[in-house]
Amino acid sequence: DIQMTQSPSSLSASVGDRVTITCRASQSISKYLNWYQQKPGKAPKLLIFAASNLQSGVPSRFSGNESGTDFTLTISSLQPEDFATYHCQQSYTTPYTFGQGTKLEIK
Amino acid sequence: QVQLQESGPGLVKPSETLSLTCVVSGYSISSGYYWGWIRQPPGKGLEWIGSLYHSGTTYYNPSLKSRVTTSVDTSKNQFSLKLSSVTATDTAVYYCARRYSKGWFDPWGQGTLVTVSS
Repeated sequence: DIQMTQSPSSLSASVGDRVTITCRASQSISKYLNWYQQKPGKAPKLLIFAASNLQSGVPSRFSGNESGTDFTLTISSLQPEDFATYHCQQSYTTPYTFGQGTKLEIK
Repeated sequence: QVQLQESGPGLVKPSETLSLTCVVSGYSISSGYYWGWIRQPPGKGLEWIGSLYHSGTTYYNPSLKSRVTTSVDTSKNQFSLKLSSVTATDTAVYYCARRYSKGWFDPWGQGTLVTVSS
């Protein structure tokens, strides 16, 4: 199975901050990396698919990038509604695997 | 607007079979897309269980494959999951979702908590 490692596991930041979350794949996954946002008690919501494509309706402050087996999710200016847990997922091959999640908390 | 809703027992005894159904509204399952099941143990990360197509094609996580069965009922626009011989480690929130061709999931159902306990 392809292992997905997210860093950091948790992050404290303030409204207006720029934050970056990283996801590293244990092998090449081409561009097939997806990002989800999950709020407490809610289902995950797709933010970005195929590394850098913004899902319809997702604010443009969210962006994704790739460099080899390293992928980043950047939020350019944190808003109060962005405090949540973020998950990455590789869809290069089955079994699809997820990172362990990054919890973004208010400082 | 596509919506998914999971349903099923919230409590299952050890060694028994967990059965869940996902009803899809706003889109006909037989029109295309794969559909999937994902679970999340309390306080932990997400685990892909499997994906299925209306024609019957299925893909399962090898870690669960021996215990998983899925099916599609196009007449009711729903699909189902059965997980046999459950143990406490199968306690999780179970989600159904639509899977795009390149493997991302959107949208998701709200999830249903299944607890395995005697």
